Amino acid sequence: SAVISQKPSRDICQRGTSLTIQCQVDSQVTMMFWYRQQPGQSLTLIATANQGSEATYESGFVIDKFPISRPNLTFSTLTVSNMSPEDSSIYLCSVYSSGAAEAFFGQGTRLTVV
Amino acid sequence: QKEVEQNSGPLSVPEGAIASLNCTYSDRVSQSFFWYRQYSGKSPELIMSIYSNGDKEDGRFTAQLNKASQYVSLLIRDSQPSDSATYLCAVDMDSNYQLIWGAGTKLIIKP
Repeated sequence: SAVISQKPSRDICQRGTSLTIQCQVDSQVTMMFWYRQQPGQSLTLIATANQGSEATYESGFVIDKFPISRPNLTFSTLTVSNMSPEDSSIYLCSVYSSGAAEAFFGQGTRLTVV
Repeated sequence: QKEVEQNSGPLSVPEGAIASLNCTYSDRVSQSFFWYRQYSGKSPELIMSIYSNGDKEDGRFTAQLNKASQYVSLLIRDSQPSDSATYLCAVDMDSNYQLIWGAGTKLIIKP
């Protein structure tokens, strides 16, 4: 299994500012995934972060808005830049453990932009 | 386009009855299928995984897979109020560890 520590758990931010979300995994993983989940909605993949290479972004998400770092096999950050109220959402990091054949999630970051 | 479809619900089931949740997927070569449960304000957690055609049972939960029909379902027997949650269907279509997620079905168990 994999245990993911994600922080902050929640934040209220002013529009125009940036927030960096951190995820620490207790084991080495090749890929980490960053999702956004609007209230009552399913998971929307933002990007896939591989160690040592640039993140791969899904349609509708760009690096300038959601820069991602992946400095090693246990850690990643997602920054939400130049925030607007439309960025208010829950952000989740996730890893897939091939050994456990299961996806694990961090606790989520509830972001409110005012 | 790779898609996973679920009825968003809500699905309301009396306590003690069987809840049946359904999911269809677009990619015929998909190999791995998962059901996750998500309580409000919490992260998704794995309920069942299934890889072969047929049924897989774990306690009150049974996952059913029909690859020919591209259909996977989750049955919850003796439904309890604690089963009230959103159930997400996820499919690994490329065997690259990137899951494709359904929209989720909100299940309400009425006491």
